[in-house]
Amino acid sequence: EDQVTQSPEALRLQEGESSSLNCSYTVSGLRGLFWYRQDPGKGPEFLFTLYSAGEEKEKERLKATLTKKESFLHITAPKPEDSATYLCAVHSDTGRRALTFGSGTRLQVQP
Amino acid sequence: DTAVSQTPKYLVTQMGNDKSIKCEQNLGHDTMYWYKQDSKKFLKIMFSYNNKELIINETVPNRFSPKSPDKAHLNLHINSLELGDSAVYFCASSQAGVNQPQHFGDGTRLSIL
Repeated sequence: EDQVTQSPEALRLQEGESSSLNCSYTVSGLRGLFWYRQDPGKGPEFLFTLYSAGEEKEKERLKATLTKKESFLHITAPKPEDSATYLCAVHSDTGRRALTFGSGTRLQVQP
Repeated sequence: DTAVSQTPKYLVTQMGNDKSIKCEQNLGHDTMYWYKQDSKKFLKIMFSYNNKELIINETVPNRFSPKSPDKAHLNLHINSLELGDSAVYFCASSQAGVNQPQHFGDGTRLSIL
C-alpha cells in the first residue's frame, strides 16, 4: 500500500525566512509526485508534478525537488500570502488513477 | 469561470436521511473523482469515473452511490446518513492518462446531527 508522510505538521515562519517542507513516500513504482496548496475552505490547488529522481520545478518563491524516497518543497523568502496547507500526493504503479495524499503541512508566514 | 463546481457548499442534516452532492466540470476532462477529507485532513479516494464508466471503487459503504450522467458530471448520493459520514467531500477531474494533475472543487462540508 502506498504511504505518504509529510513533516512538519505545522510551520510558522517570519516573512523572508526561507525553509523547506518534507514529503517522504513509500510506493510500488512511482509514476508521479504532486504538490498542492490548500487554503481554508477551498479545494487543493495544483502546484507541481515531479516524475523522476533529480527533477526540480519552480514557481515564484516555491521550488520542488525529488529523490527516490522523498520530495522537498523549498520556500524562499516567503510572504504572508504563502500561508496555506501544502499537500503532497503520489501516483504509483498500482494502475489506478487515484492519488494517495499525505496529511499536509500547515504553513503560517507572519509579517 | 469555475472549473470544478460542487453544490451545495454546506450540508447539515440528520442521521438516517438521504442526501446528494452534485459536481460539474467545464474543463473537458474525461476522468472525475470523489475524495473524502476527514478531520485529520487526509484526502482519501472514494470513486473515480472515466467517461461515465466506474474505474475505482474503494472500500466505501454501499450507502454511497456515485452517478455519472455524462462525462462532465459526477454526483454522489448517500443513503441512511451516519454520524461518521461527517467530513468534507471533494470532487476532482483530470484529463485521461496517468500523471495528469487533478483539479479540485471547493468541497462540500457535510455535518450530521
